[in-house]
Amino acid sequence: GQQVMQIPQYQHVQEGEDFTTYCNSSTTLSNIQWYKQRPGGHPVFLIQLVKSGEVKKQKRLTFQFGEAKKNSSLHITATQTTDVGTYFCAGQSGSARQLTFGSGTQLTVLP
Amino acid sequence: EAQVTQNPRYLITVTGKKLTVTCSQNMNHEYMSWYRQDPGLGLRQIYYSMNVEVTDKGDVPEGYKVSRKEKRNFPLILESPSPNQTSLYFCASSFGDFNEQFFGPGTRLTVL
Repeated sequence: GQQVMQIPQYQHVQEGEDFTTYCNSSTTLSNIQWYKQRPGGHPVFLIQLVKSGEVKKQKRLTFQFGEAKKNSSLHITATQTTDVGTYFCAGQSGSARQLTFGSGTQLTVLP
Repeated sequence: EAQVTQNPRYLITVTGKKLTVTCSQNMNHEYMSWYRQDPGLGLRQIYYSMNVEVTDKGDVPEGYKVSRKEKRNFPLILESPSPNQTSLYFCASSFGDFNEQFFGPGTRLTVL
């Protein structure tokens, strides 16, 4: 079945540093979604990418979808303490109705 | 307020005692699903439903049952819980499988 790998599993950064998490799929994806889960909370949708090579920005967050639609990344510029949490990617392949989540990257921002 | 609700939020039970975790959404979403979250494994889909009376297995369906008799409700049933089902469970809904998932607050289940 479809597998979605996400690295790194943990990342500690100093406030103001940049952060990137990477997602790789074993199959070509029809779309990829990104979610953020604050400590003790539930996943909250951030964005969806559909097109090959797509790049979307939300303030300090930049999301990319690879040309082959098998990988994606989330980059945060100048992290803040409010960025703390676990970031998940989730992908769908072809006509599959399932959304497969990566294992997540837990971000800690040190003040 | 648009939301997904789950009950109970916390549950401690014993092996073999049947339990049901309820999930309800008020957004008229067609697609609903259940996930379990375990450390280092992310969110794994248990079952999903495309619409009323339409359900299908996700990646980890063993030991679980679901039903979708009404559009708004999607209960998760553990007929005979075992300790390896101790986990954090999330219900989610969306307009379609292709769309943004709205998650419930989670149910933390411990099976002794």
